Amino acid sequence: NAGVTQTPKFQVLKTGQSMTLQCAQDMNHEYMSWYRQDPGMGLRLIHYSVGAGITDQGEVPNGYNVSRSTTEDFPLRLLSAAPSQTSVYFCASSYWGAASGGETQYFGPGTRLLVL
Amino acid sequence: GENVEQHPSTLSVQEGDSAVIKCTYSDSASNYFPWYKQELGKRPQLIIDIRSNVGEKKDQRIAVTLNKTAKHFSLHITETQPEDSAVYFCAAAKENFVFGPGTRLSVLP
Repeated sequence: NAGVTQTPKFQVLKTGQSMTLQCAQDMNHEYMSWYRQDPGMGLRLIHYSVGAGITDQGEVPNGYNVSRSTTEDFPLRLLSAAPSQTSVYFCASSYWGAASGGETQYFGPGTRLLVL
Repeated sequence: GENVEQHPSTLSVQEGDSAVIKCTYSDSASNYFPWYKQELGKRPQLIIDIRSNVGEKKDQRIAVTLNKTAKHFSLHITETQPEDSAVYFCAAAKENFVFGPGTRLSVLP
């Protein structure tokens, strides 16, 4: 099992550029989520998905799009990058109901994004 | 929605001493409380968790206590070692996971 994988590890963008952060998991988890991590602010939920074809917004969704066409993949799209989106992005997955059922989620290694 | 506060933001202890990190949450319906350790440049990793029907849980040098009435939970690390130095995050979970802002723990040799 590779667990949760993310690509790229590091990316530099110019303001206004678009890009897609990739996330994949091989644990057959229904629930996948994207967080951004900024100094002193912990991990904030951007978008999440409870299964293929189903996505929903988290705490900080503006400027980001997601889709879930398969159970394994959950890409995050930045349509027009802004310096405020400079952050470290983590993808995570778990069984559906893990949060309420008392099971943890598993994190990918993260993508460090710098927007100039 | 849920709000999780965490204190202190930084904590320095001498090797061998104990460290305590406290979190409070706002949504009484949250029922799962994991703690994560994040080393520099790495992903968060679960170190211990507790469910709402349990008051205390211990795993070797690490323990977590939960007070549902007061809506707070704490992480206790005993006999700290330099490798315990990291950022620790608490979280409260109901449908999603809501994280505290983190505590940077430094264990001084």
